[in-house]
Amino acid sequence: RKEVEQDPGPFNVPEGATVAFNCTYSNSASQSFFWYRQDCRKEPKLLMSVYSSGNEDGRFTAQLNRASQYISLLIRDSKLSDSATYLCAAITGNQFYFGTGTSLTVIP
Amino acid sequence: EADIYQTPRYLVIGTGKKITLECSQTMGHDKMYWYQQDPGMELHLIHYSYGVNSTEKGDLSSESTVSRIRTEHFPLTLESARPSHTSQYLCASSWGAGFSGANVLTFGAGSRLTVL
Repeated sequence: RKEVEQDPGPFNVPEGATVAFNCTYSNSASQSFFWYRQDCRKEPKLLMSVYSSGNEDGRFTAQLNRASQYISLLIRDSKLSDSATYLCAAITGNQFYFGTGTSLTVIP
Repeated sequence: EADIYQTPRYLVIGTGKKITLECSQTMGHDKMYWYQQDPGMELHLIHYSYGVNSTEKGDLSSESTVSRIRTEHFPLTLESARPSHTSQYLCASSWGAGFSGANVLTFGAGSRLTVL
């Protein structure tokens, strides 16, 4: 079983829509979580860390549910520029584990 | 803007050649990593290092080797390139003696390798 699993999508949403991605992790000992954004043929870049109490950065909200072992990313008021692949990541032990990524396309 | 640099960005090479992909970071990070990623596919960890003279193999078996003689430098070498090595190779680094939410990974821009 993979350490981190995501729905690969693709998610195609109209501009202005709200879209949510979920990511599950298999190891209850995982201690830190992140969302990365990766544009086509580019490197992943940190979007936000995920804190236990949940955290918000502008239109982006990240949540952690330790009981159900999932993290989520909510994007409000989607922009065309939000089109990308979103990767969740977890630190377990001494390793970073990435999901396969969820593809988002925002349509005009 | 980037504090982690990879060269070459693009390389097209013939089968059997030896290649070295360079990775340098100016952040003083202890931990460095090499990931392999095919287009539209997931990241696979192939090597990592927690400090000078420390290297380990990752989850994905790879015919490449790495060295860590200096903190800032983590080159990856393929002794004899094959078409199956065609991929994007991403170097990354992180800070700190332990793991926490502060120890995020920073990636280089990647080296796109094509072996003919």
